[in-house]
Amino acid sequence: GQQLNQSPQSMFIQEGEDVSMNCTSSSIFNTWLWYKQEPGEGPVLLIALYKAGELTSNGRLTAQFGITRKDSFLNISASIPSDVGIYFCAGQTGNNNNDMRFGAGTRLTVKP
Amino acid sequence: EPEVTQTPSHQVTQMGQEVILRCVPISNHLYFYWYRQILGQKVEFLVSFYNNEISEKSEIFDDQFSVERPDGSNFTLKIRSTKLEDSAMYFCASREKVFYGYTFGSGTRLTVV
Repeated sequence: GQQLNQSPQSMFIQEGEDVSMNCTSSSIFNTWLWYKQEPGEGPVLLIALYKAGELTSNGRLTAQFGITRKDSFLNISASIPSDVGIYFCAGQTGNNNNDMRFGAGTRLTVKP
Repeated sequence: EPEVTQTPSHQVTQMGQEVILRCVPISNHLYFYWYRQILGQKVEFLVSFYNNEISEKSEIFDDQFSVERPDGSNFTLKIRSTKLEDSAMYFCASREKVFYGYTFGSGTRLTVV
């Protein structure tokens, strides 16, 4: 199956710092998505990317769909305590089923 | 905002028992999914369902698992004979069209004892 390698596994940062995380794969994806999961909740979609090279922002979040279609990154600027959670990348190959596969997640801790 | 609703939020069952996890997807959505997440691990795909049939399933989704959409609103996951390793959060998700992001429910925490 399509394997997504997400890094880093965890980050401990100070409030106000910028954060960067990324996902890579040996497979080509047609869609990249970034989700955030808080304890006891399901993943919530943050950003969806549909074209290679696309750069999309959602408030303090910015994500890019890599030109090779095998990678994506997510940046969070000026982090705040409520950014705490697990961030997952997910990819869809665009075949008939279009089912997502998730990366292992990046656990973000923000110290006030 | 429309939500995917899952019940129960937590279920404890004895090993070997059957469980049914219930989901009500968003009403105009056409694609339905079950994922699971073992504590502290990543979200894993189980099965996708479209047009009243399974469209894809993972190696996790063996003969002990089944899904149904018994009416126009519910989407259920049944585990026939639970094992200890089935303990996990189970997430239902749905989406309206292909290439759209999924909307996830809040999950059902299944504990097999």
